[in-house]
Amino acid sequence: NFMLTQPHSVSESPGKTVTISCTRSSGSIASNFVQWYQQRPGSAPTTVIYEDHQRPSGVPDRFSGSIDSSSNSASLTISGLKTEDEADYYCQSYDSNSVVFGGGTKLTVL
Amino acid sequence: QVQLVQSGAEVKEPGASVKVSCKASGYTFTSYGISWVRQAPGQGLEWMGWISSYNGHTKYAQKLQGRVTMTTDTSTSTAYMELRRLRSDDTAVYYCARSIYGSGSPPLYWGQGTLVTVSS
Repeated sequence: NFMLTQPHSVSESPGKTVTISCTRSSGSIASNFVQWYQQRPGSAPTTVIYEDHQRPSGVPDRFSGSIDSSSNSASLTISGLKTEDEADYYCQSYDSNSVVFGGGTKLTVL
Repeated sequence: QVQLVQSGAEVKEPGASVKVSCKASGYTFTSYGISWVRQAPGQGLEWMGWISSYNGHTKYAQKLQGRVTMTTDTSTSTAYMELRRLRSDDTAVYYCARSIYGSGSPPLYWGQGTLVTVSS
């Protein structure tokens, strides 16, 4: 199995842009789609990005996703940060054997 | 709109079993799969497995093989997850989630979660 590594925490000011990385340990990041989930304290996760860069209906276009084969990583970028974006963010991908989540990144908007 | 409503919190003793339900509405139940994901207190998300609501085909996380069973009841659009021989480290919030497309695709819509506490 592979692992997905995320930074433990990031912080940025309201109105700014932040990028959260997710690096795949083995196998190509491009071989299986990457999803991103937002989890606010005390709440269930919600999907903010699926299939690398697709946004579910209702998710603002301030949220965007991408992959970079050269670094074997995926990224979630949030622009125009709002205090309501403060949450834990998890990346997720899979291979033929299993589904893998990253360890999560705590985003602080201060 | 898609809704997944899960059963209420449970407290179980070590060695017991728990069965969590997940009632779906707002879409054609048999056209999508259901994944189960759990989250221990203060920890990250852990994939448990998924089930095809169309034909009942399942795939489980290797570490849970032999202790977990996922089923569906198409007549009531409800998915179930049963975990047996509970241990203290099974204490977690358990989530069901509907797939993006057919079975085997990642989660898109999530239930509200069910807290399962394993304690003597």
